[in-house]
Amino acid sequence: GENVEQHPSTLSVQEGDSAVIKCTYSDSASNYFPWYKQELGKGPQLIIDIRSNVGEKKDQRIAVTLNKTAKHFSLHITETQPEDSAVYFCAASKPPNTGNQFYFGTGTSLTVIP
Amino acid sequence: KAGVTQTPRYLIKTRGQQVTLSCSPISGHRSVSWYQQTPGQGLQFLFEYFSETQRNKGNFPGRFSGRQFSNSRSEMNVSTLELGDSALYLCASSLELGTGVAYTGELFFGEGSRLTVL
Repeated sequence: GENVEQHPSTLSVQEGDSAVIKCTYSDSASNYFPWYKQELGKGPQLIIDIRSNVGEKKDQRIAVTLNKTAKHFSLHITETQPEDSAVYFCAASKPPNTGNQFYFGTGTSLTVIP
Repeated sequence: KAGVTQTPRYLIKTRGQQVTLSCSPISGHRSVSWYQQTPGQGLQFLFEYFSETQRNKGNFPGRFSGRQFSNSRSEMNVSTLELGDSALYLCASSLELGTGVAYTGELFFGEGSRLTVL
């Protein structure tokens, strides 16, 4: 089965700095890579995703890059703000006709220091 | 539009008991998945239901089971509870029009049911 590894497990940055979270996956058949943000007491919420036919995707201060050859993808948050403090999870999934089964990383607890 | 609703939000059980958790998906969503979240382990996939059929199952023992009703609401059951079953159980729904039909893949999570086993 798929194995997703995520690093670092904790990350502290000063407000305004950038934050980078990295994930690797093992199954070359995976083709959909979402990132979820989980705030305290809430369920995870999708913030950005990328499919295997795209190398990079950006949405305002958030960007995701994908390297299919190396089987790794990264989340980049620029100009961090205190409200970015949360736990971030990367995930990998296979084509839709196999159903909604996602393999998640173990999470990165991001703290943005004002 | 109402989000994913999970009940109960918190519960305490003792070893050997069983528990049933409920999930009401977003209206129109036919796929419901369950995940177990524990510190350091992230989210681990339990199972997924679509149109009342279990479509995928994770690597959990048979004590973990689930079902989906015709209105897409889902329940999961854990029998013979163990201390290690203490976790946040998350339900997620997804809009999927049918096998092979393109969809976004986005999971919409509820706030979870926090189970403590004593």
